[in-house]
Amino acid sequence: ETGVTQTPRHLVMGMTNKKSLKCEQHLGHNAMYWYKQSAKKPLELMFVYNFKEQTENNSVPSRFSPECPNSSHLFLHLHTLQPEDSALYLCASSQGPAATISYEQYFGPGTRLTVT
Amino acid sequence: DQQVKQNSPSLSVQEGRISILNCDYTNSMFDYFLWYKKYPAEGPTFLISISSIKDKNEDGRFTVFLNKSAKHLSLHIVPSQPGDSAVYFCAASASGQDSNYQLIWGAGTKLIIKP
Repeated sequence: ETGVTQTPRHLVMGMTNKKSLKCEQHLGHNAMYWYKQSAKKPLELMFVYNFKEQTENNSVPSRFSPECPNSSHLFLHLHTLQPEDSALYLCASSQGPAATISYEQYFGPGTRLTVT
Repeated sequence: DQQVKQNSPSLSVQEGRISILNCDYTNSMFDYFLWYKKYPAEGPTFLISISSIKDKNEDGRFTVFLNKSAKHLSLHIVPSQPGDSAVYFCAASASGQDSNYQLIWGAGTKLIIKP
């Protein structure tokens, strides 16, 4: 596998379920991100990890819980979600603090989440 | 309040003609700008970028122009091809200690290339 992969690609869950989204990057990057994309809205940054340390949490509700066990893997644990949480969840990676110029982020294909 | 705005939700252009996508920003601290392209069922892919020390960057059919005084940038695609049909996102970032490599995104413009 190359680039950034995400599983599952589609997920339907009830409001009482617990599920996890997985992201893996094969680019040797040090920073990883979770974004939420709702229809016709800008990408919303949720979490940032640099060298496995969470450096940003953009006021995300606690029903979303990230985990970064190493610089190649990122999880988003979901529990007691609401229907308005239905969206495309995108994972991205970048070189992170070591890069002085490049802000390019490389994205996975996303997980289409539907909360019923 | 959105710091990066793409005011055209969609744009339709004839194949072979020039496509011009626009982006406005409000934060004067932004010093690096990127364009991403997104196909359905895929994540955004990086297309082209420009630093605030330049006013133009060209890569093949794609050229990005930056007008700092107007806080405006545009992406020109010429000639437009059917494979260019996608959603285009503008993103901006501010360097510095607190930037944390965060990109601030526009809402996207859907480009449709007509044959």
